[in-house]
Amino acid sequence: GESVGLHLPTLSVQEGDNSIINCAYSNSASDYFIWYKQESGKGPQFIIDIRSNMDKRQGQRVTVLLNKTVKHLSLQIAATQPGDSAVYFCAENPPGYALNFGKGTSLLVTP
Amino acid sequence: SQTIHQWPATLVQPVGSPLSLECTVEGTSNPNLYWYRQAAGRGLQLLFYSVGIGQISSEVPQNLSASRPQDRQFILSSKKLLLSDSGFYLCAWGASPSVHEQFFGPGTRLTVL
Repeated sequence: GESVGLHLPTLSVQEGDNSIINCAYSNSASDYFIWYKQESGKGPQFIIDIRSNMDKRQGQRVTVLLNKTVKHLSLQIAATQPGDSAVYFCAENPPGYALNFGKGTSLLVTP
Repeated sequence: SQTIHQWPATLVQPVGSPLSLECTVEGTSNPNLYWYRQAAGRGLQLLFYSVGIGQISSEVPQNLSASRPQDRQFILSSKKLLLSDSGFYLCAWGASPSVHEQFFGPGTRLTVL
Protein backbone atom coordinates (compact mmCIF):
# COMPACT_ATOMS: atom_id res chain seq x y z
CA GLY A 1 0.00 0.00 0.00
CA GLU A 2 0.96 3.63 -0.22
CA SER A 3 2.77 5.09 2.73
CA VAL A 4 4.20 8.26 4.17
CA GLY A 5 7.93 8.24 4.81
CA LEU A 6 10.51 10.53 6.32
CA HIS A 7 13.92 11.10 4.77
CA LEU A 8 15.90 11.27 8.04
CA PRO A 9 15.17 9.37 11.23
CA THR A 10 17.21 11.80 13.39
CA LEU A 11 18.20 15.43 13.08
CA SER A 12 20.58 17.32 15.34
CA VAL A 13 20.67 21.11 15.23
CA GLN A 14 22.23 23.82 17.34
CA GLU A 15 20.06 26.10 19.39
CA GLY A 16 19.17 29.19 17.39
CA ASP A 17 19.61 27.52 14.01
CA ASN A 18 16.73 26.78 11.66
CA SER A 19 15.51 23.17 11.36
CA ILE A 20 14.06 21.51 8.30
CA ILE A 21 12.29 18.19 8.60
CA ASN A 22 11.31 16.46 5.38
CA CYS A 23 8.56 14.04 4.51
CA ALA A 24 7.69 12.14 1.34
CA TYR A 25 4.20 10.96 0.62
CA SER A 26 3.03 8.70 -2.13
CA ASN A 27 -0.76 8.98 -2.25
CA SER A 28 -1.52 11.61 -4.85
CA ALA A 29 -5.17 11.63 -3.72
CA SER A 30 -4.24 13.03 -0.29
CA ASP A 31 -5.77 16.44 0.14
CA TYR A 32 -4.69 17.36 3.64
CA PHE A 33 -1.44 17.11 5.55
CA ILE A 34 -0.55 17.64 9.18
CA TRP A 35 2.61 17.94 11.22
CA TYR A 36 2.59 16.68 14.79
CA LYS A 37 5.13 17.04 17.58
CA GLN A 38 5.48 14.27 20.14
CA GLU A 39 7.49 14.74 23.29
CA SER A 40 8.72 11.69 25.15
CA GLY A 41 5.92 9.78 26.86
CA LYS A 42 3.18 12.10 25.61
CA GLY A 43 0.61 12.09 22.88
CA PRO A 44 1.28 13.91 19.59
CA GLN A 45 0.39 17.58 19.50
CA PHE A 46 -0.86 19.34 16.41
CA ILE A 47 1.63 21.86 15.01
CA ILE A 48 0.38 22.99 11.63
CA ASP A 49 -1.62 21.73 8.69
CA ILE A 50 -1.89 22.46 5.00
CA ARG A 51 -4.41 21.63 2.33
CA SER A 52 -3.44 20.40 -1.10
CA ASN A 53 -4.59 23.63 -2.75
CA MET A 54 -1.80 25.51 -0.95
CA ASP A 55 1.97 25.26 -1.23
CA LYS A 56 2.98 27.17 1.88
CA ARG A 57 1.54 27.94 5.25
CA GLN A 58 3.13 29.79 8.15
CA GLY A 59 2.56 29.59 11.84
CA GLN A 60 4.42 30.86 14.83
CA ARG A 61 8.08 30.01 14.10
CA VAL A 62 6.97 27.16 11.84
CA THR A 63 6.37 26.96 8.12
CA VAL A 64 5.06 24.01 6.16
CA LEU A 65 5.86 23.68 2.47
CA LEU A 66 4.03 21.35 0.12
CA ASN A 67 5.39 20.33 -3.28
CA LYS A 68 2.74 18.23 -4.96
CA THR A 69 4.86 17.71 -8.07
CA VAL A 70 7.37 15.59 -6.17
CA LYS A 71 5.00 14.64 -3.33
CA HIS A 72 7.16 16.28 -0.70
CA LEU A 73 6.27 17.99 2.55
CA SER A 74 8.63 19.87 4.84
CA LEU A 75 8.44 21.52 8.23
CA GLN A 76 10.71 24.46 8.92
CA ILE A 77 11.30 25.61 12.46
CA ALA A 78 12.92 29.01 12.85
CA ALA A 79 15.38 29.74 15.67
CA THR A 80 15.16 26.24 17.10
CA GLN A 81 14.94 26.08 20.87
CA PRO A 82 15.65 23.26 23.36
CA GLY A 83 11.90 22.87 23.86
CA ASP A 84 11.60 21.92 20.20
CA SER A 85 13.42 18.63 20.87
CA ALA A 86 10.86 15.93 20.11
CA VAL A 87 9.77 13.47 17.46
CA TYR A 88 7.98 15.07 14.55
CA PHE A 89 5.44 13.17 12.47
CA CYS A 90 3.89 14.11 9.19
CA ALA A 91 0.53 12.66 8.27
CA GLU A 92 -1.40 12.59 5.04
CA ASN A 93 -5.12 12.27 4.66
CA PRO A 94 -6.26 10.27 1.66
CA PRO A 95 -10.01 10.62 1.08
CA GLY A 96 -11.73 8.91 3.99
CA TYR A 97 -11.44 9.10 7.75
CA ALA A 98 -7.97 7.83 8.52
CA LEU A 99 -4.75 9.79 8.69
CA ASN A 100 -1.66 7.94 7.47
CA PHE A 101 1.34 8.71 9.69
CA GLY A 102 5.01 8.50 8.87
CA LYS A 103 7.54 6.88 11.20
CA GLY A 104 8.76 10.19 12.62
CA THR A 105 11.96 12.22 12.79
CA SER A 106 13.68 12.78 16.10
CA LEU A 107 14.87 16.38 16.45
CA LEU A 108 17.61 17.01 18.98
CA VAL A 109 18.50 20.60 19.80
CA THR A 110 22.00 21.04 21.23
CA PRO A 111 23.20 24.11 23.15
CA SER B 1 -12.62 23.82 25.42
CA GLN B 2 -12.27 20.20 24.44
CA THR B 3 -10.21 17.75 26.46
CA ILE B 4 -9.44 14.10 26.03
CA HIS B 5 -8.61 11.71 28.84
CA GLN B 6 -7.06 8.28 28.87
CA TRP B 7 -6.53 5.87 31.70
CA PRO B 8 -4.64 4.24 33.07
CA ALA B 9 -1.44 6.07 32.18
CA THR B 10 0.68 2.95 32.57
CA LEU B 11 -0.23 -0.71 32.85
CA VAL B 12 1.75 -3.91 33.30
CA GLN B 13 -0.18 -7.07 32.56
CA PRO B 14 0.72 -10.76 32.28
CA VAL B 15 0.29 -12.64 29.01
CA GLY B 16 -3.19 -14.09 28.76
CA SER B 17 -4.84 -11.51 31.00
CA PRO B 18 -7.70 -9.26 29.84
CA LEU B 19 -7.35 -5.60 28.95
CA SER B 20 -9.58 -2.56 29.15
CA LEU B 21 -8.34 0.92 28.26
CA GLU B 22 -10.70 3.83 28.45
CA CYS B 23 -10.83 7.12 26.57
CA THR B 24 -13.28 9.95 27.16
CA VAL B 25 -13.71 13.29 25.46
CA GLU B 26 -15.20 16.43 26.97
CA GLY B 27 -16.44 19.60 25.38
CA THR B 28 -17.64 18.23 22.05
CA SER B 29 -20.51 16.17 20.70
CA ASN B 30 -20.51 13.30 18.23
CA PRO B 31 -16.76 13.23 17.75
CA ASN B 32 -14.94 10.78 15.53
CA LEU B 33 -12.83 8.63 17.85
CA TYR B 34 -9.66 6.71 17.09
CA TRP B 35 -7.37 4.17 18.76
CA TYR B 36 -3.73 4.05 17.68
CA ARG B 37 -0.81 1.92 18.78
CA GLN B 38 2.75 3.14 18.72
CA ALA B 39 5.63 0.69 19.07
CA ALA B 40 8.90 2.00 20.51
CA GLY B 41 10.62 4.30 18.01
CA ARG B 42 7.92 3.78 15.43
CA GLY B 43 5.01 5.64 13.90
CA LEU B 44 1.33 5.46 14.69
CA GLN B 45 -0.73 2.49 13.59
CA LEU B 46 -4.48 3.05 13.40
CA LEU B 47 -6.33 0.23 15.13
CA PHE B 48 -9.97 1.34 15.25
CA TYR B 49 -12.10 4.34 14.49
CA SER B 50 -15.68 5.21 15.28
CA VAL B 51 -18.02 7.79 13.80
CA GLY B 52 -20.84 7.19 16.29
CA ILE B 53 -22.19 5.14 19.18
CA GLY B 54 -21.90 1.44 18.45
CA GLN B 55 -20.11 2.06 15.13
CA ILE B 56 -16.61 0.60 15.03
CA SER B 57 -14.30 0.12 12.07
CA SER B 58 -11.21 -2.02 12.38
CA GLU B 59 -8.14 -1.19 10.34
CA VAL B 60 -6.03 -4.28 11.02
CA PRO B 61 -6.81 -7.83 12.15
CA GLN B 62 -5.63 -8.25 15.69
CA ASN B 63 -6.11 -9.49 19.19
CA LEU B 64 -7.94 -6.34 20.25
CA SER B 65 -11.48 -5.02 20.05
CA ALA B 66 -13.08 -1.64 20.56
CA SER B 67 -16.45 -0.42 21.74
CA ARG B 68 -18.22 2.91 21.95
CA PRO B 69 -20.98 2.59 24.54
CA GLN B 70 -21.52 6.35 24.82
CA ASP B 71 -21.01 9.29 22.50
CA ARG B 72 -17.79 10.45 24.14
CA GLN B 73 -16.43 7.16 25.44
CA PHE B 74 -14.19 4.78 23.54
CA ILE B 75 -12.89 1.54 25.03
CA LEU B 76 -10.10 -0.72 23.83
CA SER B 77 -10.25 -4.32 25.04
CA SER B 78 -8.68 -7.70 24.79
CA LYS B 79 -9.75 -11.04 26.23
CA LYS B 80 -6.21 -12.45 26.30
CA LEU B 81 -3.15 -10.26 25.92
CA LEU B 82 -0.15 -11.28 23.85
CA LEU B 83 3.44 -10.12 24.27
CA SER B 84 3.11 -8.32 20.95
CA ASP B 85 0.31 -6.16 22.38
CA SER B 86 2.88 -4.14 24.33
CA GLY B 87 3.10 -0.53 23.20
CA PHE B 88 1.90 3.00 23.65
CA TYR B 89 -1.83 3.31 23.02
CA LEU B 90 -3.20 6.63 21.94
CA CYS B 91 -6.79 7.74 21.68
CA ALA B 92 -7.66 10.66 19.43
CA TRP B 93 -10.77 12.59 18.48
CA GLY B 94 -11.74 14.57 15.43
CA ALA B 95 -14.64 16.98 14.92
CA SER B 96 -16.15 15.39 11.83
CA PRO B 97 -15.23 13.50 8.67
CA SER B 98 -14.82 16.79 6.82
CA VAL B 99 -12.42 18.20 9.41
CA HIS B 100 -9.33 16.08 9.30
CA GLU B 101 -7.38 17.34 12.27
CA GLN B 102 -7.11 14.88 15.15
CA PHE B 103 -6.38 15.65 18.77
CA PHE B 104 -4.57 13.08 20.85
CA GLY B 105 -4.87 12.02 24.44
CA PRO B 106 -1.90 11.52 26.79
CA GLY B 107 -1.60 7.81 25.98
CA THR B 108 -1.38 4.55 27.93
CA ARG B 109 1.92 2.69 28.17
CA LEU B 110 1.09 -1.05 28.16
CA THR B 111 3.72 -3.65 28.98
CA VAL B 112 2.77 -7.29 28.61
CA LEU B 113 5.11 -9.68 30.44
